Amino acid sequence: GAVVSQHPSWVICKSGTSVKIECRSLDFQATTMFWYRQFPKQSLMLMATSNEGSKATYEQGVEKDKFLINHASLTLSTLTVTSAHPEDSSFYICSASGRVSYNEQFFGPGTRLTVL
Amino acid sequence: AQSVTQPDIHITVSEGASLELRCNYSYGATPYLFWYVQSPGQGLQLLLKYFSGDTLVQGIKGFEAEFKRSQSSFNLRKPSVHWSDAAEYFCAVAGTGTASKLTFGTGTRLQVTL
Repeated sequence: GAVVSQHPSWVICKSGTSVKIECRSLDFQATTMFWYRQFPKQSLMLMATSNEGSKATYEQGVEKDKFLINHASLTLSTLTVTSAHPEDSSFYICSASGRVSYNEQFFGPGTRLTVL
Repeated sequence: AQSVTQPDIHITVSEGASLELRCNYSYGATPYLFWYVQSPGQGLQLLLKYFSGDTLVQGIKGFEAEFKRSQSSFNLRKPSVHWSDAAEYFCAVAGTGTASKLTFGTGTRLQVTL
């Protein structure tokens, strides 16, 4: 149980376009979802925390207008990278937390974004 | 603010040898502690976690970790490493509130020689 999926697993886009990444909890209700960014050979950096039905809380230094997060249901959160640029290329990982285990996050497999 | 230090960036061990990955944390109270493993291009897999109780925690794949409050440490151990254990290992700390944020260490890359 406690499976989280992400779609797509990888995406290549042109500079200036927007990209949407989906994060789904497949077998539990995710009251909270987290979005992380990971640069090559580096650790995960938390971008934002979202609670179902509420606005996301962004970490310091993360542009909320660039990284739009929506958590419209208990099983789906989306991250939209707007007007993507090459510096937005990264590995984006989501995680979900819910009633199955309040203090444990279950991680998705990640999405590799490459902006040309 | 909570923080995690993994002092070893890269460790190489021979297959069959024992392994210890170090992790030190900073948190005002007793934290929740986690070890994750990440293979290249993959997401994170939870190896084990400590919330309370017995300070020696058993995890998957033969891993264990010991919480030492006096040393603010949560080191990961395995008595005999397999080649398939080669990966990146992350220690993480969370506060004890509901759905608290995770703070990750910088990771330790494990290389296993045959």
